[in-house]
Amino acid sequence: DGGITQSPKYLFRKEGQNVTLSCEQNLNHDAMYWYRQDPGQGLRLIYYSQIVNDFQKGDIAEGYSVSREKKESFPLTVTSAQKNPTAFYLCASTRSWGFQETQYFGPGTRLLVL
Amino acid sequence: SQQGEEDPQALSIQEGENATMNCSYKTSINNLQWYRQNSGRGLVHLILIRSNEREKHSGRLRVTLDTSKKSSSLLITASRAADTASYFCAFLAGGSYIPTFGRGTSLIVHP
Repeated sequence: DGGITQSPKYLFRKEGQNVTLSCEQNLNHDAMYWYRQDPGQGLRLIYYSQIVNDFQKGDIAEGYSVSREKKESFPLTVTSAQKNPTAFYLCASTRSWGFQETQYFGPGTRLLVL
Repeated sequence: SQQGEEDPQALSIQEGENATMNCSYKTSINNLQWYRQNSGRGLVHLILIRSNEREKHSGRLRVTLDTSKKSSSLLITASRAADTASYFCAFLAGGSYIPTFGRGTSLIVHP
C-alpha cells in the first residue's frame, strides 16, 4: 500500500522542549508539505519542500524547523520558540512541483502541551 | 496566503437530502480542489476542477466553478450518514504552486 505515514498519533510537549514529528511517504513524490490545523481556521502552511535537500518557509514557519535529507522523509521539529504549539499537524505530498497536483495527506499528529 | 471562504460553516441535514456547500475566493485561480476530512483524520481528495471547466461529476458529487463570481460549489446528492465530515476547498491562486485552503464546512448527516 502506498501512502503517507505520520507518527506519533499524539505527542505531548513540555515547556521549553523541542519535539519532532515524523512524516514518511512511499509514493515516490518529489514535493512534501507541513500544515498546521487549528479549530475553525482551516490549514495553514508551515514549510514545504520541492525536492530533496531543499525546503522553503510557508506562512507560519516561526518556531518550526524541517529537514529533507531523503526523498521519502520530511520531519518537522516544533521548537521551544513556538509559544502556541497545540494543534493538529498534517503532512502532505504531491507527485511533483510546479504542476496542478492532488495533495495526498497523512493521518496527522495531534500535539498537546503539558 | 489568502484563505478561501466557505459557506455555510456548518450544515445539518437528514439522510437522503442533498447537501450544498460553497467556496469563494478573491484572486484568479488555476484550479480548485475539494477535500474531505473525517474527524481527527487526514484530508482526502475528492475532485479537482480546472479554471477552464464549469462542472465536474464524481459519483454523488457535483462541483461547479464560476470564475466570474469567483466561487465554487460542492453538491452531495442523496447524502448518507457516512458523508458526515468536514469539507474543504483548496485552490492554486494565479502564479502560485501552493494550495490555499478554506476554513471548511462541517457537514452532519443524521440517519
